[in-house]
Amino acid sequence: QKEVEQDPGPLSVPEGAIVSLNCTYSNSAFQYFMWYRQYSRKGPELLMYTYSSGNKEDGRFTAQVDKSSKYISLFIRDSQPSDSATYLCAMSLPTGNQFYFGTGTSLTVIP
Amino acid sequence: SAVISQKPSRDICQRGTSLTIQCQVDSQVTMMFWYRQQPGQSLTLIATANQGSEATYESGFVIDKFPISRPNLTFSTLTVSNMSPEDSSIYLCSVEGPSSYNEQFFGPGTRLTVL
Repeated sequence: QKEVEQDPGPLSVPEGAIVSLNCTYSNSAFQYFMWYRQYSRKGPELLMYTYSSGNKEDGRFTAQVDKSSKYISLFIRDSQPSDSATYLCAMSLPTGNQFYFGTGTSLTVIP
Repeated sequence: SAVISQKPSRDICQRGTSLTIQCQVDSQVTMMFWYRQQPGQSLTLIATANQGSEATYESGFVIDKFPISRPNLTFSTLTVSNMSPEDSSIYLCSVEGPSSYNEQFFGPGTRLTVL
């Protein structure tokens, strides 16, 4: 079983839609949860960073962590064509700096 | 966040040769990381490089194949040695964030194709 599971998609939505991206994980010791956005032929860009459970909002983006279900989500409101990218979830333990990444979900927002 | 550059951005190499990838950061950082990103797979950590000490390699990666240098706090190199087509991948360097090592910021990557 992989440490982190992420549906690779691809996901295609019309402009203005609400997008939900999700990851599940197996290690209950994970405490830090991150979402990265990666445009084609670019490096991953840190979008959201959450510690432990709960929600965090930043503009059109909301990250949710449900540690009881070992499930994290990223919601994108009012999606834009510029949101078209691959979204990677990542998580890490309280100690150490090793990140465990999902495989990424490819998102296309159609104008 | 730090500004990270990598050279080369892409290369096509012959089997059996070696390629050295450079990573430059615009600020001093303690820890730098090297990842591999293969199509359809998760980012995989190759090694962690601290200035002034030997790099720490993850399971499945060895120094003879992926030697790393970290001569100062703003620069690192990764060499992919004796390449085979299986080494074709994107190689990324990253650095820890200023507020927490649980944040990492990535360079643009080096796209390597081995023929």
